Amino acid sequence: SAVISQKPSRDICQRGTSLTIQCQVDSQVTMMFWYRQQPGQSLTLIATANQGSEATYESGFVIDKFPISRPNLTFSTLTVSNMSPEDSSIYLCSVAPSGGNGYTFGSGTRLTVV
Amino acid sequence: DAKTTQPPSMDCAEGRAANLPCNHSTISGNEYVYWYRQIHSQGPQYIIHGLKNNETNEMASLIITEDRKSSTLILPHATLRDTAVYYCIVRGLGGQTGANNLFFGTGTRLTVIP
Repeated sequence: SAVISQKPSRDICQRGTSLTIQCQVDSQVTMMFWYRQQPGQSLTLIATANQGSEATYESGFVIDKFPISRPNLTFSTLTVSNMSPEDSSIYLCSVAPSGGNGYTFGSGTRLTVV
Repeated sequence: DAKTTQPPSMDCAEGRAANLPCNHSTISGNEYVYWYRQIHSQGPQYIIHGLKNNETNEMASLIITEDRKSSTLILPHATLRDTAVYYCIVRGLGGQTGANNLFFGTGTRLTVIP
């Protein structure tokens, strides 16, 4: 299965600023996914990112707040824009399974907005 | 998407089998049942998945009822390192492009007791 490197692992940011999270995969993948996990909660899908097309956002998430880039088949970024304390969460990227294996997740970015 | 229902928490003695149930009564015929777990401060880890037959791998066994409305994840000899939140997921379709992704419920918090 794919190996994902996600950076940064954690950050503390001032409100009103933006943070870009990077996700690097060791193999080419068609679909990448971004999730948010708020404190004590389960994972919520933010958007699906396919290379060569605009990301598809789930209900409650918009491109202006969470712009996503997918420049090639091994890399994606998620930006959390104009942050507020309510954006404090763990953000995770994931890739779809290949060869019948399950979805693989990055180790997550723990974001704290102060 | 088919909804899943899991007990919020379970305890299991170390060395004993852990049996984690999941109800997915509205599952459709082409939807798989996936199990993931999330150990504290890590990204979710794939365990096993199945369609209608029972499955076994080096981590666990998955028992799916004949009507596919429920399943049980079995960890045959639980260890302290198996303490985690276990998610039962029915893979569905989401987003405008219909890309396959995972929708997480609240999961079962399994505590393995020494």
